[in-house]
Amino acid sequence: GQQLNQSPQSMFIQEGEDVSMNCTSSSIFNTWLWYKQDPGEGPVLLIALYKAGELTSNGRLTAQFGITRKDSFLNISASIPSDVGIYFCAGQLAGTGNQFYFGTGTSLTVIP
Amino acid sequence: DAGITQSPRHKVTETGTPVTLRCHQTENHRYMYWYRQDPGHGLRLIHYSYGVKDTDKGEVSDGYSVSRSKTEDFLLTLESATSSQTSVYFCAIRRDGSYEQYFGPGTRLTVT
Repeated sequence: GQQLNQSPQSMFIQEGEDVSMNCTSSSIFNTWLWYKQDPGEGPVLLIALYKAGELTSNGRLTAQFGITRKDSFLNISASIPSDVGIYFCAGQLAGTGNQFYFGTGTSLTVIP
Repeated sequence: DAGITQSPRHKVTETGTPVTLRCHQTENHRYMYWYRQDPGHGLRLIHYSYGVKDTDKGEVSDGYSVSRSKTEDFLLTLESATSSQTSVYFCAIRRDGSYEQYFGPGTRLTVT
């Protein structure tokens, strides 16, 4: 299957710090989605990206669709304790239409 | 939450028994998906549906079948459960006119 390399695997940060994570692949994607998952729950959609170079914000979250269409980035500014969770990227592979491939997630811990 | 429910939420079954998981949506979206989530693998697509009676295989479809006889329901069946099918199963819908996927709360299945 397609490999989406998500990094870092885990992060431990102090409250108030900014966070950056990314998702990379050797393949070209048409759409990138970013999700957050809390324990015991389903992933919740944070941001959707549709065009190369697109930069989209949702509150303190900002995500970018890489210009090569092979990567995407998520930044969280001024982290707070409720940001704790696992963040996933998902990409819709060019030419597939209906299938999305998911990264393995970044586990974020925020230390108050 | 896109009106998605999954049942049951938890199930323990024995190897070799058939199991059916149900996904129900209230918003009549055309596309529905079944994923499994395992540590180290992220979310992987099992099957998806693009309309009543229209389904297709995903990345990890072996050992699973699906049916969609009504727009609102998408069933996932394990004909003869194996221990390797112990996982958390998520249903998702794709909002019409976009590539945004929204997930249900998940079903934790344990095959002993």
